[in-house]
Amino acid sequence: GNSVTQMEGPVTLSEEAFLTINCTYTATGYPSLFWYVQYPGEGLQLLLKATKADDKGSNKGFEATYRKETTSFHLEKGSVQVSDSAVYFCALKSQAGTALIFGKGTTLSVSS
Amino acid sequence: GAVVSQHPSRVICKSGTSVKIECRSLDFQATTMFWYRQFPKQSLMLMATSNEGSKATYEQGVEKDKFLINHASLTLSTLTVTSAHPEDSSFYICSAREGQNYEQYFGPGTRLTVT
Repeated sequence: GNSVTQMEGPVTLSEEAFLTINCTYTATGYPSLFWYVQYPGEGLQLLLKATKADDKGSNKGFEATYRKETTSFHLEKGSVQVSDSAVYFCALKSQAGTALIFGKGTTLSVSS
Repeated sequence: GAVVSQHPSRVICKSGTSVKIECRSLDFQATTMFWYRQFPKQSLMLMATSNEGSKATYEQGVEKDKFLINHASLTLSTLTVTSAHPEDSSFYICSAREGQNYEQYFGPGTRLTVT
């Protein structure tokens, strides 16, 4: 079946450090891929998405590229800020499905 | 952007009682709503999908008689946990989608504690 695997957290970084959160997926066909962010006390928010191979999603300095050959969608940011501290979820939606399938989430803590 | 609210944000109930959680789309019509359950350090697990005016579709392993879902209007869905037990304690999250737009908007979640 379809599944998402993302790196275990927590990830602790200093401000302005480079961030990578790995995400790989298993799915048939060509799923759409997403990164969601959950700030403390808030609901999940869509951070970025990619709907086909080689697409790059980007938002707020974060980027992720849909790599069909490695079934990956790693999240990156060149210089993190304290305000980026949150839980990040990688997710997919299959071509035929309506619901999202989530990874376990990765907690990011950024200190000044 | 689209906003989804949940009420209550936290609830504590005694074992054997029922508790209702509301999910509302505040500025759009939610033709489809989803209910998820999240355990500590675990992923969001889809419980059920509901379309307005129709019976909910439950995921395998989710007891439909225990987790009653009603989606009676385009802005409101409710999840009722019946005869709650301590193992039902969890974080319940709803999301809503407008039409065939694939983007889901998430509520802030409800922390249920059953004592």
